Amino acid sequence: AQSVTQLDSQVPVFEEAPVELRCNYSSSVSVYLFWYVQYPNQGLQLLLKYLSGSTLVKGINGFEAEFNKSQTSFHLRKPSVHISDTAEYFCAVSPPRGAQKLVFGQGTRLTINP
Amino acid sequence: GAGVSQSPRYKVAKRGQDVALRCDPISGHVSLFWYQQALGQGPEFLTYFQNEAQLDKSGLPSDRFFAERPEGSVSTLKIQRTQQEDSAVYLCASRRAGTGGPIEQYFGPGTRLTVT
Repeated sequence: AQSVTQLDSQVPVFEEAPVELRCNYSSSVSVYLFWYVQYPNQGLQLLLKYLSGSTLVKGINGFEAEFNKSQTSFHLRKPSVHISDTAEYFCAVSPPRGAQKLVFGQGTRLTINP
Repeated sequence: GAGVSQSPRYKVAKRGQDVALRCDPISGHVSLFWYQQALGQGPEFLTYFQNEAQLDKSGLPSDRFFAERPEGSVSTLKIQRTQQEDSAVYLCASRRAGTGGPIEQYFGPGTRLTVT
């Protein structure tokens, strides 16, 4: 079984400041890792994913994440945020085989202040 | 637009009523997932279909929950005798391939169910 912990339920930052959203996971098998964003009243949109290879993954909207196997972490970063980045962010894992159903963390609400 | 659509977007049910939630996946997508997202929480897996076959229903919380995808396209999640704890957003996602193929799941906007 897998589990995901997002260490911060809310992160307020000022516009144009850098941000890091933290994610740790637990699994007895190797996993794929994902970050999704959810804007109000919308479905989840994939930001980026790690399947294998380079541990630094670049996604849409200027986001990137780094897989750290020894620390079982997959933190999300952006060097300069915009008002439009205000949303809920979810870290998720799935096993590489089978149905590959997603196991999500509880989410981090990113609020950008002008 | 060829995204995943869900209907209704909002549903209010009185406790004890039955509800049916519909998901139209992206055309041609083999895999379909249902997730339940309680207020302030991350989505939790309910069930998985590959074409018309329900291969995993381990996340369904009780026998009041039933899902079907009879023709391998549209799916319906039915909840019988709704309870207040069923209040949540129900998300549907589809994926182009079955197991072993491209893994990205595309999510619909969800149906917000409120049981009063």
